[in-house]
Amino acid sequence: GDSVTQMEGPVTLSEEAFLTINCTYTATGYPSLFWYVQYPGEGLQLLLKATKADDKGSNKGFEATYRKETTSFHLEKGSVQVSDSAVYFCALRKSTGGGNKLTFGTGTQLKVEL
Amino acid sequence: DAMVIQNPRYQVTQFGKPVTLSCSQTLNHNVMYWYQQKSSQAPKLLFHYYDKDFNNEADTPDNFQSRRPNTSFCFLDIRSPGLGDAAMYLCATSPSRYEQFFGPGTRLTVL
Repeated sequence: GDSVTQMEGPVTLSEEAFLTINCTYTATGYPSLFWYVQYPGEGLQLLLKATKADDKGSNKGFEATYRKETTSFHLEKGSVQVSDSAVYFCALRKSTGGGNKLTFGTGTQLKVEL
Repeated sequence: DAMVIQNPRYQVTQFGKPVTLSCSQTLNHNVMYWYQQKSSQAPKLLFHYYDKDFNNEADTPDNFQSRRPNTSFCFLDIRSPGLGDAAMYLCATSPSRYEQFFGPGTRLTVL
């Protein structure tokens, strides 16, 4: 079945450091790929997405490129802030029934310190 | 401004005592989803409604059921909660096969 693998956390960085969170996936067909962010005590918020190979999703300084040849969707940010501290989930989406199904990775906790 | 609302945010129940979690939406989306997220784990889809059509995931226990009386509301019923059902329950909505919007979640504690 479909699956998503993320690097384990927590990842601890100093403010203004470069961030990479690795994500690889296994899926049949052509899934869409997402990064969601979850702040403490809150639900999931969509951070960025890519719907086909070579697409680059970007938002709030975060970027990720859909690489079909390496089945990857790594999240990057050039300069992290303390406010970026959260748990980041990589996910793939496939159609099911009349809706769609998100398959999530296990999440990577990011801690940014001053 | 709230688009997907979950009540209550925190729910405590006793072992074996039925409990109902509520989700409502102001987005008029035709699809509503329920996910279970255990501590430090990924959210896991339990089931979803496409309009009134119920779609259950193959590995969702029979202990979990859902109702959708109208477009705006969807309920998650846990008939006999066990200690292993303690988790965050996330509701999400989407317009057909497009982006899902998540609510803040309800954290369920089973004593």
